[in-house]
Amino acid sequence: AQKVTQAQTEISVVEKEDVTLDCVYETRDTTYYLFWYKQPPSGELVFLIRRNSFDEQNEISGRYSWNFQKSTSSFNFTITASQVVDSAVYFCALSEERTSGTYKYIFGTGTRLKVLA
Amino acid sequence: KAGVTQTPRYLIKTRGQQVTLSCSPISGHRSVSWYQQTPGQGLQFLFEYFSETQRNKGNFPGRFSGRQFSNSRSEMNVSTLELGDSALYLCASSLESSGGFKTQYFGPGTRLLVL
Repeated sequence: AQKVTQAQTEISVVEKEDVTLDCVYETRDTTYYLFWYKQPPSGELVFLIRRNSFDEQNEISGRYSWNFQKSTSSFNFTITASQVVDSAVYFCALSEERTSGTYKYIFGTGTRLKVLA
Repeated sequence: KAGVTQTPRYLIKTRGQQVTLSCSPISGHRSVSWYQQTPGQGLQFLFEYFSETQRNKGNFPGRFSGRQFSNSRSEMNVSTLELGDSALYLCASSLESSGGFKTQYFGPGTRLLVL
């Protein structure tokens, strides 16, 4: 069965600390996509990154970096030198193809990150 | 380019009433999906529309329905509201690509409170 697990319900860090948010997924498909979204208190899910199952290169974007490891079915997200503005709920998601040829998203339960000044 | 917009942003209804929520996708996006987000159940997929047709449906009762117009704008309707329908309703749009795959971009959501 397809599943996304974000075991960390809530994490608190002090500003400037590094923090890693874990994401473990399950799928039987060989072609799939993984995402991270940020949900600030305003409610809107903000797209951060997309990764396909054939590209295991790590990605860095400013203070954000992502580590994709198929061997452990993980797609972890690291924020370096965290800032108060990083406080939000972060969702990991898996998208795979349905038999109808369309795609479905499966979201994890989210990790609430609190960055304290 | 303007993002996904949803109206209204906040809504208070009473049990038994019905409600209609609106979503305008990003210009050029033809696929619109709806999600319900609650503290207990997380993000749950409601349905997806593409070219005015419902293409996929989640596991929700028939009280939840939707439609899409020719300009890709979408509405969802909940009839006979129950207390448990209180949630954040999120709309997401995506650009249909030839490869079939798409990234979903979300709107700010509509917070519905049922009293």
